[in-house]
Amino acid sequence: EADIYQTPRYLVIGTGKKITLECSQTMGHDKMYWYQQDPGMELHLIHYSYGVNSTEKGDLSSESTVSRIRTEHFPLTLESARPSHTSQYLCASRSEQGFIPIYFGEGSWLTVV
Amino acid sequence: QKEVEQDPGPLSVPEGAIVSLNCTYSNSAFQYFMWYRQYSRKGPELLMYTYSSGNKEDGRFTAQVDKSSKYISLFIRDSQPSDSATYLCAMRRTNTGNQFYFGTGTSLTVIP
Repeated sequence: EADIYQTPRYLVIGTGKKITLECSQTMGHDKMYWYQQDPGMELHLIHYSYGVNSTEKGDLSSESTVSRIRTEHFPLTLESARPSHTSQYLCASRSEQGFIPIYFGEGSWLTVV
Repeated sequence: QKEVEQDPGPLSVPEGAIVSLNCTYSNSAFQYFMWYRQYSRKGPELLMYTYSSGNKEDGRFTAQVDKSSKYISLFIRDSQPSDSATYLCAMRRTNTGNQFYFGTGTSLTVIP
């Protein structure tokens, strides 16, 4: 069972506000990911990290930013939220060693009004 | 064309039925295959993962990979109402460090 935690689980916020979605894992995984998932749609990779101080943008263009200052922590920030940012955001991680599948957190549901 | 295709359903079966969930893919380089279960408003939960071809069984679940047909399946025996969820397949190439390819998910309802 994966130990990966996301907060907040649900957030309703006004347009133009700055928000940070928190993600922490206790497994010591080097690789961490943020995916965006709309209902009934496939997951889209928006950011990933190979380790501390290493972050890259994913396939889906996103106005969000991430940081990786500690191995266990990978927060995602939106400087100015818009209604188009309304979605579910999933944090995930996996080990560097061999074939280890990706493990997901519970998700953060963001609604921008 | 998407790299991974998955019938979205919805699929509705009576309790106790055998369920077959499937994904097809286009890239023969995929070597690692995963199945996730996702309940409403929750994150995907890993069910099973396999490497290359063959079958893998875990309790009521069996994952099957047919690389010659580029086709993977998840079978659920003696289905329960608690199995009602969306099932996602995922796969990965051997030479790609970071990229996972996901299906869009199949919605399953098991009727008591």
